[in-house]
Amino acid sequence: GAVVSQHPSRVICKSGTSVKIECRSLDFQATTMFWYRQFPKKSLMLMATSNEGSKATYEQGVEKDKFLINHASLTLSTLTVTSAHPEDSSFYICSARKGLSLTVNEQFFGPGTRLTVL
Amino acid sequence: GEDVEQSLFLSVREGDSSVINCTYTDSSSTYLYWYKQEPGAGLQLLTYIFSNMDMKQDQRLTVLLNKKDKHLSLRIADTQTGDSAIYFCAESSSGGYQKVTFGTGTKLQVIP
Repeated sequence: GAVVSQHPSRVICKSGTSVKIECRSLDFQATTMFWYRQFPKKSLMLMATSNEGSKATYEQGVEKDKFLINHASLTLSTLTVTSAHPEDSSFYICSARKGLSLTVNEQFFGPGTRLTVL
Repeated sequence: GEDVEQSLFLSVREGDSSVINCTYTDSSSTYLYWYKQEPGAGLQLLTYIFSNMDMKQDQRLTVLLNKKDKHLSLRIADTQTGDSAIYFCAESSSGGYQKVTFGTGTKLQVIP
C-alpha cells in the first residue's frame, strides 16, 4: 500500500500562535512531499514542494517565513504556520511521491488538517 | 499559467451513468489524472491517461481525451451511492518532477 497520515486532523488556535502539522508516509519512503491548501469550492493550491534533506521549494506568493517546511526524514515532513491569523484558516493537505518515478507524477494524499484560527 | 476547469456540481440517479467534464489550457500537458475526494478525506488517484491516448477504460470508469480541444471526461457507469464524492481533474507536463495542477473539483451527488 501507500498510506499517508496527517496529524492533527483538526486544530483550533488563537491568533498569533504557531501550529505544526505533520505528514507521514507510513509504508513507503517519500523523497518528495507536497503541501497544498484547499479553499471551499476551490481547487487545491500547491504551496510548496518538500524534498528530503534540502530546502523546500515554495510556489509564487507563498511566504516561506510564514509557512515553514521541514522534511527531515524520508517519511516525515512538517508544515509550521507561524504567527497564525484568521485568514490562514483553511484545509491543509499533504501528499507524497513514492519512489523516483520519472514518468507519471502519482501522489498519495493525506486526509488533511482543518486549521481554524480564532 | 496552467488552468484546469470543471463544473462544480453534478447530480445523477443511482444506476445511471455519470459524465464529469474538464478542460485545460496547457498544451504541454502529458499526463491527465482523475482524483476522488470523499468527505473529510484526502484525494485518491482513480486513473490517469497519457496525452497520446484518447481513451482508457478501467472497470466502470472510462476516460476520454480530446487533445485538440483540451477536453477530458470521466464516465462512471452504473453509478452507485458510494460514488458520491468530489472528483478532481488534474494535469502535469512530462516528467515525474513536474507539478500537478488541479481543477476546481466537481461534486457528484448520487440520488438513490
